[in-house]
Order: sequence, then structure tokens, then C-alpha cells
Amino acid sequence: DAGVTQSPTHLIKTRGQHVTLRCSPISGHKSVSWYQQVLGQGPQFIFQYYEKEERGRGNFPDRFSARQFPNYSSELNVNALLLGDSALYLCASSLKVNYEQYFGPGTRLTVT
Amino acid sequence: GQNIDQPTEMTATEGAIVQINCTYQTSGFNGLFWYQQHAGEAPTFLSYNVLDGLEEKGRFSSFLSRSKGYSYLLLKELQMKDSASYLCAVRDKSATNKLIFGTGTLLAVQP
Repeated sequence: DAGVTQSPTHLIKTRGQHVTLRCSPISGHKSVSWYQQVLGQGPQFIFQYYEKEERGRGNFPDRFSARQFPNYSSELNVNALLLGDSALYLCASSLKVNYEQYFGPGTRLTVT
Repeated sequence: GQNIDQPTEMTATEGAIVQINCTYQTSGFNGLFWYQQHAGEAPTFLSYNVLDGLEEKGRFSSFLSRSKGYSYLLLKELQMKDSASYLCAVRDKSATNKLIFGTGTLLAVQP
């Protein structure tokens, strides 16, 4: 069975640009969560979606937005990129909201 | 507030036993997870505790005391491939499945 997949693997952007990161959950999983992991830190919760609805949002500015599609895949959008947005962005899927989360390989975003 | 503390770095010898501690203070508690993360890779699930006591899984064991806000991960018969960051995470008791992570403990296994 395929695990959680994310694209792209790596991305380099310039300050002020916007970026879209994509995630496909494990087949049958209906919940997707996004985390930001800055180098040397643990992952920080950004969003959770379940059945295409936002279920939770972490302490991130409005420049961060996300959505979930009918096939349960998800996109994370970040506008007006800042240097501090450079991080590994992890997507995790779970069967339902309160089930074990499985992480994808992440997207390494570098903002210059 | 929410706070999860674990040591930043640890060093151990191949074949030995190492214990990684984690203390937490969170507004709600719905289980504690340990993840292993190799450099540049995604976290992989190691263990889950929701009730007090010890959970054993091969070379890995995890312990939880909810009254003390304390957990540890025990790794036995250390191998070089166990060199990685170990993340302690508490699941929030809310409508979401949110995990609150510590900063991770970087374990170096030496020959």
C-alpha cells in the first residue's frame, strides 16, 4: 500500500512569493493534518482537515491557508513568503480525526 | 500553557541501553506518542501510551505516568542505525487530532 505522498520534495522560493504544497493521504484515510518543522525543532501543528472541512488551526498567520479535496488530498498555501517560513512541511493522514497519524516524507521549502 | 520537555542530545554506546525522558504540561491529554526521525526524513511511529504503565515493542519500550506528566522511551541493544532524533508528542484532547511535539532528543550511538 502506498503511504502518504507529498510534492514537491524540495522547493526554493523568494521572499514575497507564494507557494502551494500538495499531499495525498493513505487510501481510505479521510483526515489530513499539516505541520511545520523548523530545523532543530519538533513539528508544529498548522491545520487539520476532515471530510473536506477545517477541524483545527494552529497559531499561524492568515498567510497560511489550506483545503481538502473530494478525493481527500490536500493543499497547503503560503502567501507573501518570509525567510522564517523556511522549513520542512509535513503532511500526516489518519483514518478519522482521533486515529493514529502517518507522516509523509515532507516538502523542504527554502525561502531566499 | 502547553510545554513538552526532553533533553536536546544524548550519546550512548552500541549494544547498551538508553532512556530518553519526556515531561509534559498540557491543557488536555489524550495519549502520548514517541516518533523516530532520521535526518531529512519524516517522523515514523514508535509507540503510543494512553494509560499508565509500560508498553513493550521489541527493543523499544515506553512508559507513562499521567499523574507526574512523565514518559520515557527505553531503547535496548542499541544499534548504529538507532542514531536519530526521538520526538515526544502529546495528543491534544480537543476536536482535532493535533499532536504537540517536543523539540526532540538527538541520540548518537557510538561504536
